[in-house]
This record gives sequence, structure tokens and C-alpha cells, in this order.
Amino acid sequence: DAGVIQSPRHEVTEMGQEVTLRCKPISGHDYLFWYRQTMMRGLELLIYFNNNVPIDDSGMPEDRFSAKMPNASFSTLKIQPSEPRDSAVYFCASRWTGGGKAEAFFGQGTRLTVV
Amino acid sequence: EDQVTQSPEALRLQEGESSSLNCSYTVSGLRGLFWYRQDPGKGPEFLFTLYSAGEEKEKERLKATLTKKESFLHITAPKPEDSATYLCAVPNTGNQFYFGTGTSLTVIP
Repeated sequence: DAGVIQSPRHEVTEMGQEVTLRCKPISGHDYLFWYRQTMMRGLELLIYFNNNVPIDDSGMPEDRFSAKMPNASFSTLKIQPSEPRDSAVYFCASRWTGGGKAEAFFGQGTRLTVV
Repeated sequence: EDQVTQSPEALRLQEGESSSLNCSYTVSGLRGLFWYRQDPGKGPEFLFTLYSAGEEKEKERLKATLTKKESFLHITAPKPEDSATYLCAVPNTGNQFYFGTGTSLTVIP
């Protein structure tokens, strides 16, 4: 398996524009997590899905953020409208809770810069 | 409230100088403590999982240990390629992974 795949790797956008980040989890994994990483706050959990269903979105900072998982192999995180304070690295991670192993595997991240 | 705290924030070691990183946690019903390594510009990479007090795991120059309140990542005779940020994480009862803020390790040749 190629691991968790995120796209794009880098995104530069102007304030007010819509941004969509994409994630393909590892095949067979039943949990998917979206994190945001900044120097000040470290890794923050935004939302997570179990079997494509959103379970907890309490970490989503504002209504400008939304996430979907239309099927087991794809998820999106959307920011509309974007603001400079959204600049961060966004990570997607997936996890399989069967088989006695429960570690989460991360993608390479999307570095978002809002100017 | 579930919390994960790592110390020190940053650590500089000479090559070959052994040391330990600390991860303390407060979580009801520990369901594993996870160590990750993160290199600049990359996602966290899984290292170890520990499930019960007294458990130890080793990988090359790294050894992770677990007590009822904290975990240590011991680095023996580190090399420059061990330079990275080391993160620990615990899942809560809702399967959410909460991460510490990490220890940035620099190993000087």
C-alpha cells in the first residue's frame, strides 16, 4: 500500500477563497482523522470518521471548516472562506482498529498558506 | 480532562550522548501510548505502541518504557540521523488520538 495520500502538498491562496484538501486513506482502515499542526498549538484534532461517518467534529474551529467522507477511500476538508490564521500544515491519518494494532498512519500533509 | 505533556521541549545532544525524553499523561483507562517521529516537512511516523505498565519496546537506538503515569523514550548513543521531533499520543475512550507538543531533538556530530 502507498500509505495515506494527501493532495495538494502545498497550497497558497488568497484570503476569502475556498480551499479543498484531499485525503486517500490506507485501504481497509476504518478510522480517518484530520489534524492541523502549527508551531504554537502542535497537532490539533479537527474531526474524525469511523466507517465514513463523522463521529466528532468538536475540534473544527469554525463553521468555515467542513469535512466529508463520501466513501471509504476519499475524504475532503474544506475551508470557505479562508483566512490568514488558517495557515498551517493539515494532516490526514487513518487507522485500523482490528487485528490488535491500533496505530494511526499519517500522510505527508498539506502546507496551506493564506495570504 | 485527558492530557499529554512532553518534556523537554528541545534537547541538544552530542553524538553518542545518551538521554531520555518524557511523556506524562492523564487519561482514564489507558488504551495504548504511541510514540511517533516527525522529520521536517513530513508527517509523523509511527515508532512504538505500549499498552501496560512495565512494557518496553526497542528499535535500534531507541527504547520506550511505560509506567502508570508516564512514558520514557531512551536514546542510546544517538547519531545525527536521530535528529527529529518525537511525539507521543494517547487515544481517549472515543478513539481520538491526543498528541503532546513534542520534543525537538538535535544530535550534533
